[in-house]
Amino acid sequence: AQKVTQAQTEISVVEKEDVTLDCVYETRDTTYYLFWYKQPPSGELVFLIRRNSFDEQNEISGRYSWNFQKSTSSFNFTITASQVVDSAVYFCALVNSGAGSYQLTFGKGTKLSVIP
Amino acid sequence: DSGVTQTPKHLITATGQRVTLRCSPRSGDLSVYWYQQSLDQGLQFLIQYYNGEERAKGNILERFSAQQFPDLHSELNLSSLELGDSALYFCASSGGTGVNLYEQYFGPGTRLTVT
Repeated sequence: AQKVTQAQTEISVVEKEDVTLDCVYETRDTTYYLFWYKQPPSGELVFLIRRNSFDEQNEISGRYSWNFQKSTSSFNFTITASQVVDSAVYFCALVNSGAGSYQLTFGKGTKLSVIP
Repeated sequence: DSGVTQTPKHLITATGQRVTLRCSPRSGDLSVYWYQQSLDQGLQFLIQYYNGEERAKGNILERFSAQQFPDLHSELNLSSLELGDSALYFCASSGGTGVNLYEQYFGPGTRLTVT
């Protein structure tokens, strides 16, 4: 069985602060894929990033960065210099590569509020 | 815009009724997934189709069924609706080659309210 835990239910920060969203996962597979999705108040789910289990390089995209640590089964997401538009629910998710199905297992999400 | 379309955007119906939710995947994507998002259960995988055939089933009730048509669009049928079926239903699609197969792009969702 696989599981994704996002321990932070809600976070509030003041604009321009940095914020890190935590994600811890459990899986027995050796090959798997991790994702972050953003759900703004409008409701859609927006794909942000995919990370492969065999590639532990961290990634930076503008103000967003992701820290993947296999040793601690974590895939944390940092927003630098947060903006009001970053206010959303963020979901971490996991896919195992086996069994021919690529269904996503989601965490419960972290609601981020950026206060102007 | 993810390229995945879903209709209708909102649906209000009564208990005991049946509804059909429709999804068109991104151009070229062969896989379609259905997810349910509710306050108590979070985001849960329901079912996956690949090129017209069922590939995987998750926590899908027997009252729910789905299919994928030759043009690759998919429909999710919900019958004998109960109040607890009120939720946001998402369709996602994936395609491409290699590791891109694992990237799912979501439609805007259909918000179902059962009264």
